[in-house]
Amino acid sequence: DAGVIQSPRHEVTEMGQEVTLRCKPISGHDYLFWYRQTMMRGLELLIYFNNNVPIDDSGMPEDRFSAKMPNASFSTLKIQPSEPRDSAVYFCASSSTSGGVQLTGELFFGEGSRLTVL
Amino acid sequence: LAKTTQPISMDSYEGQEVNITCSHNNIATNDYITWYQQFPSQGPRFIIQGYKTKVTNEVASLFIPADRKSSTLSLPRVSLSDTAVYYCLPGDSNYQLIWGAGTKLIIKP
Repeated sequence: DAGVIQSPRHEVTEMGQEVTLRCKPISGHDYLFWYRQTMMRGLELLIYFNNNVPIDDSGMPEDRFSAKMPNASFSTLKIQPSEPRDSAVYFCASSSTSGGVQLTGELFFGEGSRLTVL
Repeated sequence: LAKTTQPISMDSYEGQEVNITCSHNNIATNDYITWYQQFPSQGPRFIIQGYKTKVTNEVASLFIPADRKSSTLSLPRVSLSDTAVYYCLPGDSNYQLIWGAGTKLIIKP
């Protein structure tokens, strides 16, 4: 498997523009997570899905952020409108807790999308 | 959720054994302890997980004392490529993991 695939790898945009980040989880994984990483706040969980259903979005900073998972192989994180403080690396991760060796399920991360909002 | 304390940074040299200790005084009965590694410009990567005593895999060992209030990640014979940030994560589920600042390990030649 190719692993978790994220796009774009880098995005530079101007304040007020809409940003859409995309993620393809590992096939067969039933959990999908969106994280944000900054120097100041470290790695923060924004939202996670189980079987395509959003379970906990309490980490989403505000209404400008939204996430969807229309099917098991695709998820998006949208920021509208974007602001400079949204600049960060956004990671998508997936995991499977069925049939795995590790009881809490190993998280497999993508390479991240580095967002810069000017 | 268990709060963790681990050194902000550590230095070592190639070929040495490196031990990174993490304290998690209020770990819950159901919590496992998981360690992840993160290289610059990459997502974190799972290293090892354990509940008690000792766990060993091809890349590391994890030592957990009987009271489980701490854990030690042991990297044998490190190389330059082991330079990374290492996160200690107690928890009983992936969605409850609280990622602290981790330990920045720098390996010198």
